[in-house]
Amino acid sequence: DAGITQSPRHKVTETGTPVTLRCHQTENHRYMYWYRQDPGHGLRLIHYSYGVKDTDKGEVSDGYSVSRSKTEDFLLTLESATSSQTSVYFCAISESGRSTDTQYFGPGTRLTVL
Amino acid sequence: SQQGEEDPQALSIQEGENATMNCSYKTSINNLQWYRQNSGRGLVHLILIRSNEREKHSGRLRVTLDTSKKSSSLLITASRAADTASYFCATAWMDSSYKLIFGSGTRLLVRP
Repeated sequence: DAGITQSPRHKVTETGTPVTLRCHQTENHRYMYWYRQDPGHGLRLIHYSYGVKDTDKGEVSDGYSVSRSKTEDFLLTLESATSSQTSVYFCAISESGRSTDTQYFGPGTRLTVL
Repeated sequence: SQQGEEDPQALSIQEGENATMNCSYKTSINNLQWYRQNSGRGLVHLILIRSNEREKHSGRLRVTLDTSKKSSSLLITASRAADTASYFCATAWMDSSYKLIFGSGTRLLVRP
């Protein structure tokens, strides 16, 4: 596996609580992505980053915010978790953001919002 | 709306048989990629085919791309139990170079 870790790997939380997921890479890749995976929907892009402090929205960004203060870390925050955000969250990285780049994925975080 | 849609949603075959999965998409693409996901794991890149290519091989994998029909197929020959996984196509749009749009995947079960 590429040097990508996600923490926590599993989390159960209650509706209305804030949640932060962390993605850490050791590859020094410029681009980082957060996806969510739900049955029947494949992976959907939440937010991505193209450099330190440079982020942009994906197709399902409502209710999520991100931050990237260091090249190696990309944080995903649910300000006030809702049951619809129960999902498996994957972080991915790519070297330069070219369309031909391979994206390397972390092991995922399973989040349950009660 | 999703760009890539895989067909079939699920496929069950005997070890040694070939497995074919199809992907359709809606808009012009720069390239199309296939990824594999083992249960409980992240996705792993398998192969990339550019929009000006028609066929590509990698080991037991054969990918075709028909841009006129906006479709691609992934063929796994001589399947093994270890090929059991979900397979996703992902398209890179012409006007958005750094985003991949993933389909909903095909679940492949290879029976020993």
